[in-house]
Amino acid sequence: GENVEQHPSTLSVQEGDSAVIKCTYSDSASNYFPWYKQELGKGPQLIIDIRSNVGEKKDQRIAVTLNKTAKHFSLHITETQPEDSAVYFCAASNGHNNNDMRFGAGTRLTVKP
Amino acid sequence: GAGVSQSPSNKVTEKGKDVELRCDPISGHTALYWYRQSLGQGLEFLIYFQGNSAPDKSGLPSDRFSAERTGGSVSTLTIQRTQQEDSAVYLCASRLDFVGTQYFGPGTRLLVL
Repeated sequence: GENVEQHPSTLSVQEGDSAVIKCTYSDSASNYFPWYKQELGKGPQLIIDIRSNVGEKKDQRIAVTLNKTAKHFSLHITETQPEDSAVYFCAASNGHNNNDMRFGAGTRLTVKP
Repeated sequence: GAGVSQSPSNKVTEKGKDVELRCDPISGHTALYWYRQSLGQGLEFLIYFQGNSAPDKSGLPSDRFSAERTGGSVSTLTIQRTQQEDSAVYLCASRLDFVGTQYFGPGTRLLVL
C-alpha cells in the first residue's frame, strides 16, 4: 500500500520568508495529492491539491510542485504571515481503491512576527 | 453550502463509560471516514463507509470501537468501556464519490478521565 513521509515535522520561519514542506510517496500509481491546513482546535481544511497530469499549481501565495519520477511533492508558501501558522498535512491516493488515501504525519509551521 | 458537522464538539467521560460521537456528512456525499488524531499526531484511519457497501473496518483499534452509518448519511462512532488511551480528537470526513477530496469536520475532542 501507499506510504507517505513528510518533512520537516516542525518549521519556524520569520514573517515574510518562504516555507517549504516536502512529502514523498511510495506508490507510483498515486495520482492525486492534496494538502490540508489544520488550525488549532479545528479539522483539517483542503488548501490546494494537484493531480499527476501537472507539475505545478499555484493559488496566490501557495504553490505545490510534483515530481512523479522522484515520487515527491512539495508545498511552498511565500510571504508567510502569522495566520499561516498551523499544522499542514500532505496526502496521496491513486483513486483506484476507495480507501487508499494516506496522510503524512504533519508539519507544524510557526510564523514569527 | 454546509460542511461536515460533528457533535459533540467536546466530550469528557469517565473510564469504563460508553460514548457516541456523531457525524453529519456533506449532503450527497457517498463516502464517509472516521479518523483519530492523538495530541500532536497525524491522522489514524479508523473506518470507511462507501454507499451501501460493507464498511472497511480495518483501522478500528479494538472491538470496543464500532460505527454505523444509517440511511447512507449520518454516522455514529461508538466507543465502549472507554480507556484513558482513547482520549483524542475524532475526525470525520466525507467525499462526494469514489475518488477525490475528503472534507473534514471540526472534530470531537474526547477526554477520558
